[in-house]
Amino acid sequence: NAGVTQTPKFQVLKTGQSMTLQCAQDMNHNSMYWYRQDPGMGLRLIYYSASEGTTDKGEVPNGYNVSRLNKREFSLRLESAAPSQTSVYFCASSEIVGSYEQYFGPGTRLTVT
Amino acid sequence: GDSVTQMEGPVTLSEEAFLTINCTYTATGYPSLFWYVQYPGEGLQLLLKATKADDKGSNKGFEATYRKETTSFHLEKGSVQVSDSAVYFCADFSSGSARQLTFGSGTQLTVLP
Repeated sequence: NAGVTQTPKFQVLKTGQSMTLQCAQDMNHNSMYWYRQDPGMGLRLIYYSASEGTTDKGEVPNGYNVSRLNKREFSLRLESAAPSQTSVYFCASSEIVGSYEQYFGPGTRLTVT
Repeated sequence: GDSVTQMEGPVTLSEEAFLTINCTYTATGYPSLFWYVQYPGEGLQLLLKATKADDKGSNKGFEATYRKETTSFHLEKGSVQVSDSAVYFCADFSSGSARQLTFGSGTQLTVLP
C-alpha cells in the first residue's frame, strides 16, 4: 500500500502561471482533503471532498479549484499563481468526512516568484 | 472560530531529557483532541488521541491527558530519543458545522545525542 501519494514534490512557478497538484490514495477512503502549511500557522484546510462527485470549500479556498476525478484522485489547481500561494501543500484522506483520523501525503513544496 | 494554541519552538533537548509541549484549545463542548507528528520529509501521522475529558492518549512513550478544566492537552515523554526529532502538531476536532480538524502551528523538536 502506498497510502497517499502526491506529485510533484517540488515546484517553482512564476506569478500568473497555472499548475495542478495531483493526489491519489489507495485505501478506498471516501473523503479527501487539501491543506496548506505556512510557517507559524499550522495547517489550513483549502477544500475537501466528502465523497466522489462532491467538493466543498474549507477555510482558505480563494485562488484554488479542485476536482475529485474518481474515488482515488483529488487534484488542486492554481489558475493564476501568486506569491501568497507559496506554501507546502498536503493532501489527506479519511474513511468518511469529518473523521479525525486522516492520512497525509508527503507534501508538495511550491514556490511562486 | 475554534483555535488551538501550542508552545512555540524550536525546542532542543538532549537525549533522555523530559519533554513537555503545551497545547490549549478554545472549542466549546467536548471536542476530540489529537497530537500529530511530522517527521522530516514526510506527511503528518496521528500520534495519539483522546476523545473525552480525563482520557489519556498514549503511543510510542508519548502521553497526553485531556483536561477539560484547563482546556489543555499537553504532550509529554519521559525520555526522548534522537529519533523523536520532528514537528509536533496539536489538533482538535469539533462535531459542529465545520466538522474539520483545527491544527496548532506546530512545534519543532530537535533531540541531540
